[in-house]
Order: sequence, then C-alpha cells, then structure tokens
Amino acid sequence: SAVISQKPSRDICQRGTSLTIQCQVDSQVTMMFWYRQQPGQSLTLIATANQGSEATYESGFVIDKFPISRPNLTFSTLTVSNMSPEDSSIYLCSVPGQGFGGYTFGSGTRLTVV
Amino acid sequence: GQQLNQSPQSMFIQEGEDVSMNCTSSSIFNTWLWYKQDPGEGPVLLIALYKAGELTSNGRLTAQFGITRKDSFLNISASIPSDVGIYFCAGQSPGGSRLTFGEGTQLTVNP
Repeated sequence: SAVISQKPSRDICQRGTSLTIQCQVDSQVTMMFWYRQQPGQSLTLIATANQGSEATYESGFVIDKFPISRPNLTFSTLTVSNMSPEDSSIYLCSVPGQGFGGYTFGSGTRLTVV
Repeated sequence: GQQLNQSPQSMFIQEGEDVSMNCTSSSIFNTWLWYKQDPGEGPVLLIALYKAGELTSNGRLTAQFGITRKDSFLNISASIPSDVGIYFCAGQSPGGSRLTFGEGTQLTVNP
C-alpha cells in the first residue's frame, strides 16, 4: 500500500490566521482525499483533489475556506483559512489503495485554534 | 445523503472476550471497509469486503458483507489489550470513489 507523509503532525494557531497542511505520497495517485475529524467524531470528507483540475468539495465545505492544491500526482495541500476555534480538528489525507483495495490514510494533523 | 449507523458506540470488555460491532446503511454499498484508529494516528485498514455475503478473516478479526449490501459486521475474538482503539466502518457507493464513515465504536479492553 502507499505510504503517506503528512505534516505538520500538530499545530496551535491563532484565530484569524491560516494553516497549510501538506500530504506527500510515495507513489503516483489520481485522486487524493481530505477529511476532517472533529473531536470525538467520525471522519467527514472535505474534498477530492484531482491533479490538473479544481478540487471537488462536499456539501458544507467551500473553496474559500479550504483551498486545495494538487500540483502533481504525489502531492497535495489543504489550507484552513481564517481559522476559528470551531476549526479545531484532526485533518487527514487519504489515497485509494493499490491492489489490495481500501484507502490509506496519513497520520493526520491535529489542529488547535486559540 | 447516505447515513451509516454504527453500533455500539462504546464497549468495555475483559481481556479474552469476543467482540462484535456492526454497521447498517440507508442505501447499498459496493465495498465495506473496517478501520482501526489509535490515538494520534490515522485510521488503519483492517479488512476490506467487496462482495455481498463475503466473509473475510484477518487473524482474530472476521468481517462480513451483508447479503442486502446495506450492512456489515466485525468480530474480534479473544480480545487483547492492544485491541483498544476506535473502530470505524466505511462504505463505498456504487460508481463512486468517496467513502462514508460510521460514527465509530470505542473499544476498551480491561486486562
């Protein structure tokens, strides 16, 4: 399965600022996914990032708040913009599995907004 | 949108006991996946199911893809302390790539 390097692993940020999270995969993948996991909750898909096209956002998530870049087939970034305490969550990237199926996840970015 | 109901929300068991958790959906899935998440980590895939009625094992773990394609269960036999964590089911819709996750089952194993 693919190996994902996600960073930063955690950060504490001031409200009103922005944080960019990076996700690097050790193999080329067509689709990359960004999830949010609020404290004590399940995973919610934010958007699907395809190389060479605009990301596709799920209901309740907008590009101005969560801009995504996908410059090549192994890398993507998610920015959490103009942060508020409600944005405090774990953010995870994920890619489709290769061969065995399933989806592989990064170790997540634990964001705290103060 | 699709909803996945996972139960139970939490379980407290003694080491050596068997555990069962399940997920039901309001619509059909083509794929059912079971993940485990440890604190500070991303979810790790345990078992993937691709066919209705499929029963798959991975060591002490057994999972089944329901015949109706709207449900799945995960069993853990002879639990050990390292089984502690949050278990999530996830389903993939026909023709889609996105996953829908259940709410998770928090498992605590007392030695």
